[in-house]
Amino acid sequence: KAGVTQTPRYLIKTRGQQVTLSCSPISGHRSVSWYQQTPGQGLQFLFEYFSETQRNKGNFPGRFSGRQFSNSRSEMNVSTLELGDSALYLCASSLMVRFDNYGYTFGSGTRLTVV
Amino acid sequence: DQQVKQNSPSLSVQEGRISILNCDYTNSMFDYFLWYKKYPAEGPTFLISISSIKDKNEDGRFTVFLNKSAKHLSLHIVPSQPGDSAVYFCAASGGNKLVFGAGTILRVKS
Repeated sequence: KAGVTQTPRYLIKTRGQQVTLSCSPISGHRSVSWYQQTPGQGLQFLFEYFSETQRNKGNFPGRFSGRQFSNSRSEMNVSTLELGDSALYLCASSLMVRFDNYGYTFGSGTRLTVV
Repeated sequence: DQQVKQNSPSLSVQEGRISILNCDYTNSMFDYFLWYKKYPAEGPTFLISISSIKDKNEDGRFTVFLNKSAKHLSLHIVPSQPGDSAVYFCAASGGNKLVFGAGTILRVKS
């Protein structure tokens, strides 16, 4: 079965611009989570959606937002980009909101560079 | 507030020897712990996990040990292989989110 698909793979934006990243979960998965990975900081949790509802949110400013559609696809948006937003953004999907070894699967990520 | 810490940014091991990656956590409410492995340009992939009610879980060359009193877990890889070279993330679950450590870069030299 197809894995978690994130588009685009690479993105270069200018400070002050906004960006939208997309994540298509594994078919049948209803939970989608977003993470930011930067060197030395590991994976920082952004937010998690389940059945179109945001269930949990990390400690990121309001410039970071997301949504989930009825087909479970999710998008995250970052407005007024800052240099510090340069990172690898990872999406993970699972059948439900649980974190054991039952298929919490990550996509390959979108590498965002802000110049 | 780093609830999950991997204090060693990197580790270098000779092929065939044991690799030991360590992780400490602060939140006693965490009920599940996982290790992920990440290659460059790929997303993390699940490696092995352990429930808080256990103290050891083994899967082939990989064993995870949990010491709840010390709030410490470790991943042992025996024997280490060059293909194990990657970034290893420790993660803990509590509630509806997964909390990750900063990762440890493992280099296995042949």
